[in-house]
Amino acid sequence: DQQVKQNSPSLSVQEGRISILNCDYTNSMFDYFLWYKKYPAEGPTFLISISSIKDKNEDGRFTVFLNKSAKHLSLHIVPSQPGDSAVYFCAASAVGSGDKLTFGTGTRLAVRP
Amino acid sequence: GAVVSQHPSWVICKSGTSVKIECRSLDFQATTMFWYRQFPKQSLMLMATSNEGSKATYEQGVEKDKFLINHASLTLSTLTVTSAHPEDSSFYICSAGRLAGGETQQYFGPGTRLTVT
Repeated sequence: DQQVKQNSPSLSVQEGRISILNCDYTNSMFDYFLWYKKYPAEGPTFLISISSIKDKNEDGRFTVFLNKSAKHLSLHIVPSQPGDSAVYFCAASAVGSGDKLTFGTGTRLAVRP
Repeated sequence: GAVVSQHPSWVICKSGTSVKIECRSLDFQATTMFWYRQFPKQSLMLMATSNEGSKATYEQGVEKDKFLINHASLTLSTLTVTSAHPEDSSFYICSAGRLAGGETQQYFGPGTRLTVT
């Protein structure tokens, strides 16, 4: 039962353009969402997060949008850079879960120079 | 700050032997550490949550007698894969939780690739 889904396993974008990575979830108890970036054979590194009381959070080139009614969130990267090429995971945490994270399956982003 | 290390980074062992993986928070104290495993092209699956000085809480379907977790101090947690079999071959990642801005942020180690032959 995959509670957090990233339906696009891969995405290719031209350098300088916008990258949009999508994530859907099914558990209505999730109230905190995070995006992580992961390189091969390395652990994930935190990028940006959003609480369910917000619908947008911005940090430099990264913006996360949350649509609670649709149980959907997205990560926008603009402008995309070749160094952004990695696997991106969205993760979610539920109220009272003790900070446990449920991860999506990841989307591999390739930014073409 | 918030660096988490894992040792070893990769290990090959024979079927039936046990392997210990260490997870250390190098510059902060972590009251909670998490252990994940990741199969190729799949998501990170939480195996267990460990709190310093208490027994680990295992996720459903994870054998606690096979995956022994010890959280002896605020900076060290170990995962021992006992009597390893080829199906245990995977990428094991730990994370250490630290309070930041009123919420717990998880910082991940670089992972350990286990291959059981």
